[in-house]
Amino acid sequence: DSGVTQTPKHLITATGQRVTLRCSPRSGDLSVYWYQQSLDQGLQFLIHYYNGEERAKGNILERFSAQQFPDLHSELNLSSLELGDSALYFCASSVASRTTTYQETQYFGPGTRLLVL
Amino acid sequence: DAKTTQPTSMDCAEGRAANLPCNHSTISGNEYVYWYRQIHSQGPQYIIHGLKNNETNEMASLIITEDRKSSTLILPHATLRDTAVYYCIVRSTNAGGTSYGKLTFGQGTILTVHP
Repeated sequence: DSGVTQTPKHLITATGQRVTLRCSPRSGDLSVYWYQQSLDQGLQFLIHYYNGEERAKGNILERFSAQQFPDLHSELNLSSLELGDSALYFCASSVASRTTTYQETQYFGPGTRLLVL
Repeated sequence: DAKTTQPTSMDCAEGRAANLPCNHSTISGNEYVYWYRQIHSQGPQYIIHGLKNNETNEMASLIITEDRKSSTLILPHATLRDTAVYYCIVRSTNAGGTSYGKLTFGQGTILTVHP
């Protein structure tokens, strides 16, 4: 158990809908990262938040957005869903502080499996 | 971040050592080598990381060649539960820029441990 929790574990929805995935980082971790794993693209970095602020964006679609709240949990919002958005979505957390380089070890949650029908 | 090359798949007998190679010939001096594994669609699990020296923890050992262009992850006594995809990742220690700590996963090595 990494200490990172994600809800829900499974999500089935229809095209055009909107869903919210939730991540609670390990206690004390300030950084949250989101990754997408699809069959054809493998594990890909989406976005990184540190202490409530966006730090970096990866291959994240404009239909997707994220935020990190004052209690440090994070949500990934996926809208106008398409069949191709079906994937595993992982979040990871690391301790990272303002004095570090964001290179601390990342610990991953169990993921949310999204199926768009 | 430097690119890594790993064999697509490997087999190992239960109880024997599993040696997983990784080539990172373009690695630069400020880049760490990280290993993660993913067991059947679970979240990637951190194993070990190192910069120059060999490292050992309760899960595995990491051997990095002197020129740092390749490394080997060693699972000393593989069990069936070690069957997984193993990812070797090279990661910069520099802050800022576009990396900001992200992990870049390749295809990894599928390790199958046989009874």
